[in-house]
Amino acid sequence: DGGITQSPKYLFRKEGQNVTLSCEQNLNHDAMYWYRQDPGQGLRLIYYSQIVNDFQKGDIAEGYSVSREKKESFPLTVTSAQKNPTAFYLCASSTWGQGNQPQHFGDGTRLSIL
Amino acid sequence: AQRVTQPEKLLSVFKGAPVELKCNYSYSGSPELFWYVQYSRQRLQLLLRHISRESIKGFTADLNKGETSFHLKKPFAQEEDSAMYYCALSMDSSYKLIFGSGTRLLVRP
Repeated sequence: DGGITQSPKYLFRKEGQNVTLSCEQNLNHDAMYWYRQDPGQGLRLIYYSQIVNDFQKGDIAEGYSVSREKKESFPLTVTSAQKNPTAFYLCASSTWGQGNQPQHFGDGTRLSIL
Repeated sequence: AQRVTQPEKLLSVFKGAPVELKCNYSYSGSPELFWYVQYSRQRLQLLLRHISRESIKGFTADLNKGETSFHLKKPFAQEEDSAMYYCALSMDSSYKLIFGSGTRLLVRP
């Protein structure tokens, strides 16, 4: 089904390397989000964007960067500055409206260090 | 600091038994609470939100501001309810969600 597409499903990174995780949505949602999930923990917000060309840091933004050049796309770059990047990464999107609108999630990308 | 606590990592019940998944939050402002669910091999999805005051798949949740809780309940569990459940908090209608660590519900036949 459509909605939110994350790629790749699995990604391996070498030490000192930057990698970019893709997130595309065809829901016409204004807001997009990146979360990190570690074993036994809930989802933690990395970055979010409410509108094109604007984004905000979440709780754990250090070592990550994003861009929002198109409404449909919100790629996440895991930089070499992120010392513990091994995790499961989830992208989400939602409409813009009064109050918190339900977030729609992708299937996730699992990043591992070689 | 704002926090969502789900004290049980795993909750195992028999089919037909009542279920209560606990969620407590810490936030002094005006909270919005949500339950998200992830079934096996499916995406994380919204189950219900407190402002809707609705029952979804037989589940209900009542926001108790005095006890700062938002427990998820179902009177008779079904095997298809087996999934990972996350409680989430939004503060003052912001876009930011704070998630609990999740509870895995296992409904045995």
